[in-house]
Amino acid sequence: NAGVTQTPKFQVLKTGQSMTLQCAQDMNHNSMYWYRQDPGMGLRLIYYSASEGTTDKGEVPNGYNVSRLNKREFSLRLESAAPSQTSVYFCANRATNYGYTFGSGTRLTVV
Amino acid sequence: AQSVTQLDSQVPVFEEAPVELRCNYSSSVSVYLFWYVQYPNQGLQLLLKYLSGSTLVKGINGFEAEFNKSQTSFHLRKPSVHISDTAEYFCASGEPTGGGNKLTFGTGTQLKVEL
Repeated sequence: NAGVTQTPKFQVLKTGQSMTLQCAQDMNHNSMYWYRQDPGMGLRLIYYSASEGTTDKGEVPNGYNVSRLNKREFSLRLESAAPSQTSVYFCANRATNYGYTFGSGTRLTVV
Repeated sequence: AQSVTQLDSQVPVFEEAPVELRCNYSSSVSVYLFWYVQYPNQGLQLLLKYLSGSTLVKGINGFEAEFNKSQTSFHLRKPSVHISDTAEYFCASGEPTGGGNKLTFGTGTQLKVEL
């Protein structure tokens, strides 16, 4: 029972390249979230999905897109990576008792 | 809109001493409050949460926090810290209904426990 699984764990991109960060849950929860973590700034919400097929913008959505095609998976896409997107990305889900489970993160460097 | 302020970016403390990590929140509606811990190169682990009821909340690893509505605070305390408590701690708030129930995080407090 892995909870929330993120792939890849590490990635280096060149400016302008695209990539998709994958997130999958085995907990059958409706709500899923993508956060980015930067030093001194805590975690900031990029996008979230309250249920399968729905997505909404968070605090810092510019430069990102998301997809929630099924209940299990919530992916984050960078269409044209920029150095400002160098960060650690966390996926999370939420249980009905407000227990949030976080993945182990993806460390992304854009050069 | 919610906001969370963690007043100290770094807190050094000697082993076996008590510690308090401060957190203040602002919200126009009722709020849920959380403390998370992050060890180096790992994800976030829930320490404790306040949803309703008793204002003193006990969590894992001997930590506790007190919800103070009048002071809009949710400070984290431990009476005696251990070297293994060295980590970054995040306070977060969430609204009970609507808005996707998303969490708003503070900027974090680095707790460094020294011998």
